[in-house]
Amino acid sequence: GAVVSQHPSWVICKSGTSVKIECRSLDFQATTMFWYRQFPKQSLMLMATSNEGSKATYEQGVEKDKFLINHASLTLSTLTVTSAHPEDSSFYICSARGTKDTEAFFGQGTRLTVV
Amino acid sequence: GQNIDQPTEMTATEGAIVQINCTYQTSGFNGLFWYQQHAGEAPTFLSYNVLDGLEEKGRFSSFLSRSKGYSYLLLKELQMKDSASYLCAVMDSNYQLIWGAGTKLIIKP
Repeated sequence: GAVVSQHPSWVICKSGTSVKIECRSLDFQATTMFWYRQFPKQSLMLMATSNEGSKATYEQGVEKDKFLINHASLTLSTLTVTSAHPEDSSFYICSARGTKDTEAFFGQGTRLTVV
Repeated sequence: GQNIDQPTEMTATEGAIVQINCTYQTSGFNGLFWYQQHAGEAPTFLSYNVLDGLEEKGRFSSFLSRSKGYSYLLLKELQMKDSASYLCAVMDSNYQLIWGAGTKLIIKP
């Protein structure tokens, strides 16, 4: 299957700082990228959907000014958690889907800990 | 509203067979996915069904009945490494994935 690389795998940051997570599709063009958050023992929660070159569509309850998503190219999307707080600590996962694909391929995930 | 139901937890014995059910109610249907997720890791793709019937892939099989809004994942010859959460997801008419809460499968020796 296609490869999606997510970086970093884990990050610890201080409260009030910002953290950027990158999601790259390595061998295909990702027209759509999805960002999820997963708390322990819970299912994936879709945060936002982004299409290349356009603004992301955020799910209800997700603050777009806090979780900045950029999908500037067909192979890269970034999620920036701004002014992070301890309650933002979670597992963040991206997935990418190509134009002709129905399957979305997942990145490895990023475990964010805000202290 | 849209809804995906699957059991919260199941227990099975190594070497046995287990069936994980998933029922769904969504606005439109463009396929059903099963993913495996080990603790602390991202999900990995197992199967995709868009037509009724059984798809077999090694020890894993997935079945779909669109008229009943029902699918199951069948795992044969269970191994300890199969202990994981199994996520059912349906792609709706907008090509968005609607996720179930996942079934935690515990394999005992």
